Order: sequence, then C-alpha cells, then structure tokens
Amino acid sequence: EAQVTQNPRYLITVTGKKLTVTCSQNMNHEYMSWYRQDPGLGLRQIYYSMNVEVTDKGDVPEGYKVSRKEKRNFPLILESPSPNQTSLYFCASGTYRDTLGYTFGSGTRLTVV
Amino acid sequence: KNQVEQSPQSLIILEGKNCTLQCNYTVSPFSNLRWYKQDTGRGPVSLTIMTFSENTKSNGRYTATLDADTKQSSLHITASQLSDSASYICVVSESGTASKLTFGTGTRLQVTL
Repeated sequence: EAQVTQNPRYLITVTGKKLTVTCSQNMNHEYMSWYRQDPGLGLRQIYYSMNVEVTDKGDVPEGYKVSRKEKRNFPLILESPSPNQTSLYFCASGTYRDTLGYTFGSGTRLTVV
Repeated sequence: KNQVEQSPQSLIILEGKNCTLQCNYTVSPFSNLRWYKQDTGRGPVSLTIMTFSENTKSNGRYTATLDADTKQSSLHITASQLSDSASYICVVSESGTASKLTFGTGTRLQVTL
C-alpha cells in the first residue's frame, strides 16, 4: 500500500531533550515536506526537500533540523525542544510536478512540557 | 503576501443536505488549487486538484469549481453523509513545482442526524 509513515504517533517529552520524528514513504517520491498544524492556523511548512541531499527552509524552520540521506526517509529533528513546539506534525510526499497532490502521513502529536 | 481564505469557518448541516464551501486566494503566480479533507487528528487526504485551465472537477459527491479570473474556488458536497464531518482545506500552489503551497485554515463541517 502506498503510504507515508510517521513515528511516533504521540510523544510527550521535556524541554531540551533532543528528539527525532521519523517519516518514510514507499512511493519513490522526490519531494518531501514537514508541516506543523496549530489551532486556528493553517498548516505551516517547516522544511522541505526536493530530492536526496537537497533541503530548504519553509515558513517556520526555527528550532528544527532535517536530513535527506535517502529518498524514502525525511526525519525531523528537534535538538532542544521547547513548549512552543507543542503541535501536530505532518510529513508529506509528492512528485516533482505535483500532479496528484500530496500524500500526508497520519500525524505526530508532540507535547513538550 | 500570498493568502488563502476560506469561508465559512464552520458549518453544521443535516444529513442528506447539500453544502458549498468557499475559498478565495491571492497566490501568484498560480499553478494549481487543491481541496483536502482532514478528519480530526489525521492527515489531510486529497479530494481534487485543478489547474488554471480547469473550471470544475468531481470526485464522487464532491465537486470543485475554479474561477482563475476572480481567484475563487468552491467545493460542493451533495447529499451529505455523517462521514463527511471533517475539516476541508483549500491549498494553492504558487509555482509549477511541489515546493510552495499556501494553506487555508479550513472549514469545519459537521453533518448531523
């Protein structure tokens, strides 16, 4: 089944403790992206990647890192999480020409206390 | 600044009734417009995607329209079902690649008995 898999689905952590949210897709998509979704706001892009070893900042990159060492994986790294990073995170993938729309993962609900 | 505005913010309708959701955008240059359905706590799922030259596109009981001149789109849901209860998000792509999307904040639809 074609899908984007995020792990974990839920995560509670403490301020300053490094964490990684994994994202993997099995559709051979070139493009992958991370978003966060907060109440009353639309999805906001954190980072995106056009292909392996090619990443760029989105609208809200502060406090996040990403890497794209393999085509299928695009982990999101929070080196020193803070409470304002408490949010619902989504990974998405798509083709370069984006003719079919994105495929989104099921989301990761992160709480930083 | 590119913006996507959706109305209404929320809507309650009786099962079996029709409804229309609106999307206005200022994104330029325009590439395509998508409608996504997002169940609570889940990732968005693509309903339709329309390019500049397409005026209407259907997906089952969902019909999207696009007026690129007035920069407006609508999503019409026919014979609503309880399972249509979700948020509907309008997303506009700025360029010919997958990299830059602007998300609306969504319309929350509740279908009741």
